[in-house]
Amino acid sequence: GENVEQHPSTLSVQEGDSAVIKCTYSDSASNYFPWYKQELGKRPQLIIDIRSNVGEKKDQRIAVTLNKTAKHFSLHITETQPEDSAVYFCAATFRGTYKYIFGTGTRLKVLA
Amino acid sequence: NAGVMQNPRHLVRRRGQEARLRCSPMKGHSHVYWYRQLPEEGLKFMVYLQKENIIDESGMPKERFSAEFPKEGPSILRIQQVVRGDSAAYFCASSPQGVEETQYFGPGTRLLVL
Repeated sequence: GENVEQHPSTLSVQEGDSAVIKCTYSDSASNYFPWYKQELGKRPQLIIDIRSNVGEKKDQRIAVTLNKTAKHFSLHITETQPEDSAVYFCAATFRGTYKYIFGTGTRLKVLA
Repeated sequence: NAGVMQNPRHLVRRRGQEARLRCSPMKGHSHVYWYRQLPEEGLKFMVYLQKENIIDESGMPKERFSAEFPKEGPSILRIQQVVRGDSAAYFCASSPQGVEETQYFGPGTRLLVL
């Protein structure tokens, strides 16, 4: 079945520390994995993505890693800042379609 | 380049009324997706459309819900005879031809059914 599990559901870190959020997917045909940041009452914003032919991608303080064999991918945020506080969602495309299956979200709180 | 536009941003309906949600994709985007987000939950796929075609409606409830993306004008998500359980945020996303997997989201319509 179509399923993306996301952990942890909440995460508190001190400003300057790193944050890691992990997702596991069930569909071996998934080939695209975006991460979205959603602030309260706002739209989900694409922050980084990775395709199945790549193992890691980095954009400044944000990186994503993908392990196709284990079917999991992770978001890494380094040197966290208070403005990183938001809900983060992972997603995976389903069976070669463009339909996203979303994880349940991680509420990240960066403490100043 | 304006982003994905949705209107209205907030919509209040009484049980039994109809709700019409509109989505204008980003300029040059011909693929539209609708997702529903219940309070404190993730987004759930509803339907994927291209101009004048429904490509995948596997996430749409069988009754009362319909979607269209006409040749001219915005995509419309229509909910007939709304019930309290329809209260949610409805997000539209769009993607360009050739990079269909990368979806950009609109600001959402928050539907409240009284």
